[in-house]
Amino acid sequence: GEDVEQSLFLSVREGDSSVINCTYTDSSSTYLYWYKQEPGAGLQLLTYIFSNMDMKQDQRLTVLLNKKDKHLSLRIADTQTGDSAIYFCAEISGNQGGKLIFGQGTELSVKP
Amino acid sequence: DAGVIQSPRHEVTEMGQEVTLRCKPISGHNSLFWYRQTMMRGLELLIYFNNNVPIDDSGMPEDRFSAKMPNASFSTLKIQPSEPRDSAVYFCASSLGQGRSEQYFGPGTRLTVT
Repeated sequence: GEDVEQSLFLSVREGDSSVINCTYTDSSSTYLYWYKQEPGAGLQLLTYIFSNMDMKQDQRLTVLLNKKDKHLSLRIADTQTGDSAIYFCAEISGNQGGKLIFGQGTELSVKP
Repeated sequence: DAGVIQSPRHEVTEMGQEVTLRCKPISGHNSLFWYRQTMMRGLELLIYFNNNVPIDDSGMPEDRFSAKMPNASFSTLKIQPSEPRDSAVYFCASSLGQGRSEQYFGPGTRLTVT
């Protein structure tokens, strides 16, 4: 079945760039998403990319998609302490209707 | 826009009691999703509705769980009887359409069953 994998932890210093990686298995994925979850809160949609795109940039966020390797990354430029959160990668499978398949989440810790 | 509204935000109950979680999706959205989040299992999709009709309930753990969507602006997730292993954060999300449409999450209900 479909599977989405992420590393569990990432620690960076304030001002550095953060790169959070994700791999998925479903080659029929059409949309891939990044969500952010702050402590005690729900998931906030950050950005998404359609599977026929290689890159999408939105202010400090850059999403890169390597469809051949089924690899997705989220780069956060000039990382701030307010970016500390758990980041989830998710895919919508082409044959699963509206079901989002989530990774385990990467906990980003930003040190001052 | 008020976003997805869930109530209650926190629920503490004793084992064996009935628990009802409520969700109001974003107005105009026609798909609604219920998720459960735990440390052990991460985020799990329990059930989702499209135009108030349940489409996929394969994630519902067992018969103690049931979900309804009587109209486009309201859904409930009920657990009867509740057990300690049901303790989790339950999220509701809505989207404009089934399939390729981004989902917007509510703040969640933190359920503790003692």
